[in-house]
Amino acid sequence: QQQVRQSPQSLTVWEGETAILNCSYEDSTFDYFPWYRLFPGESPALLIAIRPVSNKKEDGRFTIFFNKREKKLSLHITDSQPGDSATYFCAASSNTNTGKLTFGDGTVLTVKP
Amino acid sequence: EAAVTQSPRSKVAVTGGKVTLSCHQTNNHDYMYWYRQDTGHGLRLIHYSYVADSTEKGDIPDGYKASRPSQENFSLILELASLSQTAVYFCASALSNERLFFGHGTKLSVL
Repeated sequence: QQQVRQSPQSLTVWEGETAILNCSYEDSTFDYFPWYRLFPGESPALLIAIRPVSNKKEDGRFTIFFNKREKKLSLHITDSQPGDSATYFCAASSNTNTGKLTFGDGTVLTVKP
Repeated sequence: EAAVTQSPRSKVAVTGGKVTLSCHQTNNHDYMYWYRQDTGHGLRLIHYSYVADSTEKGDIPDGYKASRPSQENFSLILELASLSQTAVYFCASALSNERLFFGHGTKLSVL
């Protein structure tokens, strides 16, 4: 059973639109949720992260919305730019699980100019 | 910024051969990880280490061994490479699980 699920697998938006990437999880002990971004040929890099004490985390054009009851979260990218085109991974970890990160399968975002 | 260097950047191996992927980090991080990425899939944890001379099994350890001879170095070993091990392999290091610093990956093709 996949612990972290992402949807959609791929998403195309126009420049200036808001992209919404979804993530859900199974393990109720998960208490840390980072999003990593991977550009082709580059290294995955931490973009933004949230802990369940909050239901929202903002960093510039990137916002995580978190719903603990439904075990769902989403990443909103406002005013999307072609340079945002990349694969976005939702991940989760639990302090009871030695802190190992479990990743979703990723969403490939394409922003068209 | 943490520096994690993987070598080689790409490799072609033959089925049944031995493959060693190397990872070197220069930031005093205790934690190191090996993940693999398959097309259309996320990053899956193979092995990890919290301290030199000790390694732990991740979620998909079968067919892989790991070695952490020093804090800076972490190797992934495929004793008998198989077609199913064709993938991109990422090494990462961290002070804690809150921010992993990844290398650029090694693209492994097993023929």
